[in-house]
Amino acid sequence: DAKTTQPTSMDCAEGRAANLPCNHSTISGNEYVYWYRQIHSQGPQYIIHGLKNNETNEMASLIITEDRKSSTLILPHATLRDTAVYYCIALHTGTASKLTFGTGTRLQVTL
Amino acid sequence: ETGVTQTPRHLVMGMTNKKSLKCEQHLGHNAMYWYKQSAKKPLELMFVYSLEERVENNSVPSRFSPECPNSSHLFLHLHTLQPEDSALYLCASSQEWATDTQYFGPGTRLTVL
Repeated sequence: DAKTTQPTSMDCAEGRAANLPCNHSTISGNEYVYWYRQIHSQGPQYIIHGLKNNETNEMASLIITEDRKSSTLILPHATLRDTAVYYCIALHTGTASKLTFGTGTRLQVTL
Repeated sequence: ETGVTQTPRHLVMGMTNKKSLKCEQHLGHNAMYWYKQSAKKPLELMFVYSLEERVENNSVPSRFSPECPNSSHLFLHLHTLQPEDSALYLCASSQEWATDTQYFGPGTRLTVL
């Protein structure tokens, strides 16, 4: 699975959009981009995933560049409860059981 | 709302104790997973079950013994653990093994004294 690179930490004011970037320049054509988050001492929470097209669900939007070398997770109206570590993962179908998290981005939402 | 529950949420045990962790998924999934998450290590996959059969066993010491009596329940039996086994133990499930999104439970925080 391709390596991903994320900033170590970010801050966002409550009510504003949080834009979390991820670089995956070596991603292959059949690797999906997955996002999970983990609030301190809780289990990881699935957020969203995509292959080529932009995706949106009730939690977030995922914007994938046309060359697929990077993506951005957007939380449209961040709240204090969105404070967590966010993990971006490139994952082949067929090896999806080999889920591993890197260091992720620690998002701090502030008043 | 996660659809995957784990009990207990916290467990403290001595090295000579025997205890079990329980996971239950209410999502109708066919695959279930045990992971270990330590403070200074990345997420480690321990075991994978698909339709109640173990399909992955990643060099886990025998003091950890999984059991999957049906596709909704997964246990991790613990005996003669070491202090370095203290960690957050996470259960996850997915519709099918290796191809689908995994959904995690809240985890069991285990402390071995």
